[in-house]
Amino acid sequence: TQLLEQSPQFLSIQEGENLTVYCNSSSVFSSLQWYRQEPGEGPVLLVTVVTGGEVKKLKRLTFQFGDARKDSSLHITAAQPGDTGLYLCAGGAMEYGNKLVFGAGTILRVKS
Amino acid sequence: EAQVTQNPRYLITVTGKKLTVTCSQNMNHEYMSWYRQDPGLGLRQIYYSMNVEVTDKGDVPEGYKVSRKEKRNFPLILESPSPNQTSLYFCASSQFTGAWEQFFGPGTRLTVL
Repeated sequence: TQLLEQSPQFLSIQEGENLTVYCNSSSVFSSLQWYRQEPGEGPVLLVTVVTGGEVKKLKRLTFQFGDARKDSSLHITAAQPGDTGLYLCAGGAMEYGNKLVFGAGTILRVKS
Repeated sequence: EAQVTQNPRYLITVTGKKLTVTCSQNMNHEYMSWYRQDPGLGLRQIYYSMNVEVTDKGDVPEGYKVSRKEKRNFPLILESPSPNQTSLYFCASSQFTGAWEQFFGPGTRLTVL
């Protein structure tokens, strides 16, 4: 059982469409991060959210941390082929000690 | 350039033949970690190190060893590799900020026959 559940697992959309990826848990996290990973490379950090209800924007990407700090979402506006990749959420929590736990990821494919 | 390097990038070996995957970071980070990535399972932590000479088990430590003799290096050792250790391995480092933001290496794809 994943401590962080991501949905959907796969998403294939046309260029210009909007999409939302979700990251849910029954645990409370002190911080939550989103990474993007491209084939043949390691994950690259996109954003960290630490405050319940926090919203951060990175160009066409909007990240939100749930009020209870148990969930997060990533919204992409007007997706482009360059957004294609694996999106991973990861969280740190007191109950997990010094370990960062990762979701299984959402594979996004944006077709031109 | 700030980076985490891993070697080798690709390795095919046979069951039981000891191997070491090296990891080095040039950011003076305290925290280093090894993960394995398998389809549908995401990234699972193998071992981590909070500082020199301090290492601890992650979620899937069986069959692996690590050492942290220097701050910049954190090698992963497979004493007797088995086919179920075929995976994509990532080394990562982090400044111990509490937010656990990780900088990842490029990965090592290991196949054990």
